[in-house]
Amino acid sequence: QAGLTQPPSVSKGLRQTATLTCTGNRNNVANEGAAWLQQNQGHPPKLLSYRDNKRPSGISERFSASRSGDTASLTISGLQPEDEADYYCSAWDSSLNVWLFGGGTKLTVL
Amino acid sequence: QVQLVESGGGVVQPGRSLRLSCAASGFNFNNYAMHWVRQAPGKGLEWVALILNDGRTKKYGDSVKGRFTISRDNSKNTLYVEMNSLKDEDTAVYYCARESNGFDIWGQGTMVTVSS
Repeated sequence: QAGLTQPPSVSKGLRQTATLTCTGNRNNVANEGAAWLQQNQGHPPKLLSYRDNKRPSGISERFSASRSGDTASLTISGLQPEDEADYYCSAWDSSLNVWLFGGGTKLTVL
Repeated sequence: QVQLVESGGGVVQPGRSLRLSCAASGFNFNNYAMHWVRQAPGKGLEWVALILNDGRTKKYGDSVKGRFTISRDNSKNTLYVEMNSLKDEDTAVYYCARESNGFDIWGQGTMVTVSS
């Protein structure tokens, strides 16, 4: 089945800004919106954003999400060592009637 | 506090069955759609199944359709997944997750290993 495409890895320096992308299509990201999750090694995922750009309570303002067409983006500003993790996007696909996850992006903070 | 606790994982032979449970607490379980999501060792997240709050509407990922059955008992605040005809590729950590503006609450996961 179709999926969401994320780059496997992104590396940025301490205190820099990283932008992660997630590309889908009109049946998922473009019309249903995307969510972003962070997963640290050995832990369950944690919701960072939903409906393209909404942030759950308790999530740092350094994490901001957006969408343009069928591509969702997560921008992490002022990178900290603890931001080093795997990041996944997710979206409902209204054509396939399934939830999709991207393959994940491993963020390395240099 | 709001919590999901999975149980029932273990080692099972190919072709056999296993039932996982997810006990919810700290919120009104009746009001939320619930999901199972799995993660094979060293791999990404894979959505498995969802069930709406009334228990009638269920959806499944292609890789488990026809083999897995999701269910819930709202009187016990518990989510289940019955996994039949298990395959090696079903080996994964299985998470239950609440759906509220995205997958907002996750359990710690339970490991299922399919091996002869």
